[in-house]
Amino acid sequence: SQQGEEDPQALSIQEGENATMNCSYKTSINNLQWYRQNSGRGLVHLILIRSNEREKHSGRLRVTLDTSKKSSSLLITASRAADTASYFCATASVGSGNTPLVFGKGTRLSVIA
Amino acid sequence: SAVISQKPSRDICQRGTSLTIQCQVDSQVTMMFWYRQQPGQSLTLIATANQGSEATYESGFVIDKFPISRPNLTFSTLTVSNMSPEDSSIYLCSVRQGGTYNEQFFGPGTRLTVL
Repeated sequence: SQQGEEDPQALSIQEGENATMNCSYKTSINNLQWYRQNSGRGLVHLILIRSNEREKHSGRLRVTLDTSKKSSSLLITASRAADTASYFCATASVGSGNTPLVFGKGTRLSVIA
Repeated sequence: SAVISQKPSRDICQRGTSLTIQCQVDSQVTMMFWYRQQPGQSLTLIATANQGSEATYESGFVIDKFPISRPNLTFSTLTVSNMSPEDSSIYLCSVRQGGTYNEQFFGPGTRLTVL
């Protein structure tokens, strides 16, 4: 079953603009991870943020985590056409060390050149 | 990060047949997972396959339909048995080294179409 809910479900922006995607989840988590998927291919790992972290950066990516609101956001700055993809958040719930990731429904991002 | 390969990358199969998907990792990993992604949908966990133990299946998935092998720390197979068109999906192998705070990586997926 899905843990997270991303919004918006679809986002269309112009190249050079920033794209913000949000993820909400239901249970307490150990960490939250963001992935990119191009055209039904495999998932590319973007960033992991732990439950005791509030913000992380990686290149043009900025991820925030608010555990009190059970939500996270992914910001892509200065977007490019190559950023066009589906983006998923996935959470590892608090529990044993072997808890698998549970995925949200994803956001389809279109960056128009 | 682990490099994961899957075979086949895609296949078209007839109803009632079975397909075995292979997952090979370039390093030893303790935790392996199999996910299914139905067309236009998100990923759903099928089972967790840790070496040395029986696979653990999620609700809605059973061993008779999706038998899994995990003979060593770098390899696993997932079989989709007695296929029907509803099994048409992308099947993804995923690995994680160590505990819950580590990144989880995915293979390129196997795109299965059942006619």
